[in-house]
Amino acid sequence: DIQLTQSPSFLSASVGDRVTITCRASQGISSHLAWYQQKPGKAPKLLIFAASTLQSGVPSRFSGSGSGTEFTLTITSLQPEDFATYYCQQLNSYPLTFGGGAKVEIK
Amino acid sequence: EIQLVESGGGLVQPGGSLRLSCAASGFTFSAYYMDWVRQAPGKGLEWVGRSTNKANGYTTEYAASVKGRFTISRDDSENSLYLQMNSLKTEDTAVYYCARGVTGIMNRWFDPWGQGTLVTVSS
Repeated sequence: DIQLTQSPSFLSASVGDRVTITCRASQGISSHLAWYQQKPGKAPKLLIFAASTLQSGVPSRFSGSGSGTEFTLTITSLQPEDFATYYCQQLNSYPLTFGGGAKVEIK
Repeated sequence: EIQLVESGGGLVQPGGSLRLSCAASGFTFSAYYMDWVRQAPGKGLEWVGRSTNKANGYTTEYAASVKGRFTISRDDSENSLYLQMNSLKTEDTAVYYCARGVTGIMNRWFDPWGQGTLVTVSS
C-alpha cells in the first residue's frame, strides 16, 4: 500500500501568511495526487487534482506542485475562510489512500 | 446541480449489519466510478471502496479493513450507490461519505462528496 505522510500535521498561522503543506508518498505516484479542504462538520472539498491543476471555482491563492513522491500545497496570503484541515490523496493505485491531514489554525 | 445524498446511518450493535444508500442527481450516474470514504470521530479520511462503471464491468475494490465484510453495489436505473456492511465492529464507527470518482489517464479526483451519514457501532 502507498503511504502518504503530510507535514506539518498542525500549523498556526495568521491572516496574510504564506502556508506550505508537504505530502510525501512511500513510492512514486506520478502526478496522481489530489488535495482537499475540510471544515468541521462538512464534507471534504476538492481543491487541486493531478498535483497542480486548480479545480474550477477554487481561489488562485491555492496552488499545488510536485510529482513522483513529493508534493506541496501552497496557500499564498491566508484568508479567514482557509482555516481548515487539508488532506492529500493518491489515486495512482489501489488501495487509494489519504494523508493524515494538516490542520491550519489561527495564530 | 450535481448532488449526492447519503442515508441509512444509525446505531447498530457489534456483529450487526447496516445498508447505506447514496442518491445521485445532476449528472450521468452510470458513466462514473463511485466511492465510499469514512471518517472516524476526530480522525482522518479512510477510503472504503469503489464501484467502477458499466463500461468497466461494475468491478469493485475494497480497503483491506473492510474486505469480506462490506459490499458495494449500484443501481444505475435508480442513480443509487449502496454499501452493505456486515459483521460490524466498533472500529467501523464513522461518518460515511459517498463521492463521485473521476478516473482519467492523468486527471483523477473525488468530486463532489455527499454530506455524510453517521454509523455508530456500539452495544
